[in-house]
Amino acid sequence: KAGVTQTPRYLIKTRGQQVTLSCSPISGHRSVSWYQQTPGQGLQFLFEYFSETQRNKGNFPGRFSGRQFSNSRSEMNVSTLELGDSALYLCASSLGQVISTDTQYFGPGTRLTVL
Amino acid sequence: GDSVTQMEGPVTLSEEAFLTINCTYTATGYPSLFWYVQYPGEGLQLLLKATKADDKGSNKGFEATYRKETTSFHLEKGSVQVSDSAVYFCALSAPLSKTYKYIFGTGTRLKVLA
Repeated sequence: KAGVTQTPRYLIKTRGQQVTLSCSPISGHRSVSWYQQTPGQGLQFLFEYFSETQRNKGNFPGRFSGRQFSNSRSEMNVSTLELGDSALYLCASSLGQVISTDTQYFGPGTRLTVL
Repeated sequence: GDSVTQMEGPVTLSEEAFLTINCTYTATGYPSLFWYVQYPGEGLQLLLKATKADDKGSNKGFEATYRKETTSFHLEKGSVQVSDSAVYFCALSAPLSKTYKYIFGTGTRLKVLA
């Protein structure tokens, strides 16, 4: 079974631009979560989508948004990029059951650099 | 609120040394506990998990036991290898009313020297 894939793997943007990252979950998984990973803050939860609906959201500004399509693929968008948005963005998929045993499976991440 | 606390790194060991990475948690209810590993330049990979008290998760020589009485889930390996050099994350998962929460520790970097 193919794992979680993320595209692109690397991105370089300048301040003020916007960016869209893509994530394809494991087949059969209906939940997709996004995380921002930085050396200083560690893993921070951005949001979670399930069946095309945002089910949970972290404490990030409105410049960060996402969506999920009917095939469970997800995109996240960051508008008006700031230097501090430079990070590894990780996508994780799971079955989406609301039980504690639901395991998340991570993609390799997209490394975003904002100049 | 719920949280996961890991020992700070980096942890530097010689090959074949014994490894312990401490992890404690606070949570309401009965979370599941996980250890993830992140190799350089990659995403996180599930290493092992335990879903109820006294469960032992194990994989690739790593073990961790879910201790409810001490709210701990310490990661151990009897003999580390250079290839185990990575960042290790402890995490918990707990259901909310219509969703669930996944909380990660800050990660512990392990460096194994030949």
